[in-house]
Amino acid sequence: NAGVTQTPKFRVLKTGQSMTLLCAQDMNHEYMYWYRQDPGMGLRLIHYSVGEGTTAKGEVPDGYNVSRLKKQNFLLGLESAAPSQTSVYFCASTNPTRGGLDEQYFGPGTRLTVT
Amino acid sequence: AQTVTQSQPEMSVQEAETVTLSCTYDTSESDYYLFWYKQPPSRQMILVIRQEAYKQQNATENRFSVNFQKAAKSFSLKISDSQLGDAAMYFCAREGGGGADGLTFGKGTHLIIQP
Repeated sequence: NAGVTQTPKFRVLKTGQSMTLLCAQDMNHEYMYWYRQDPGMGLRLIHYSVGEGTTAKGEVPDGYNVSRLKKQNFLLGLESAAPSQTSVYFCASTNPTRGGLDEQYFGPGTRLTVT
Repeated sequence: AQTVTQSQPEMSVQEAETVTLSCTYDTSESDYYLFWYKQPPSRQMILVIRQEAYKQQNATENRFSVNFQKAAKSFSLKISDSQLGDAAMYFCAREGGGGADGLTFGKGTHLIIQP
């Protein structure tokens, strides 16, 4: 089991460029999430998905789009990168349980720098 | 917005001693989950311990235990017999009763272990 993997691990973009971050999980989890982590902050939820073909906005969705065409993959897109999107991005996945969530399993993170 | 507050940006403890990290949270739910995650310099998010709000008994995992005070909305983490490998950022997180909308994290506490 690879768990949750993220591609790429590092990326530098120029302002206005676009890119897609790929998250893949092999645990057959229903729920997947994208978070961002800025210095001195905890993780903040960007978008999430509760199943194949469904997505929803989190706390900080502006400037990002997502897609979940396959259950095991969750893509995060930046259409026109801005310096404010410089951050570390984490993907996570889990399954629902009675009354809440099981443990969220996190990927190793992607460090994105926008110049 | 519902929040999670960690009032200690940094804590220091001697190796083999006990340290307690504080966390308070806001929620309107009656049934929810609370988590402590550890983030070492590798950036990987590692689950330390989980508490289900409907369970009155405090969760324990080896040297890690929590003091969960539901009425006070307090969820502190106690680390006994601190080890050098415990040095990391520790994040408190809350999950809402609906489950799908991810975790809300505090800003973290940087734990330093003095040899």
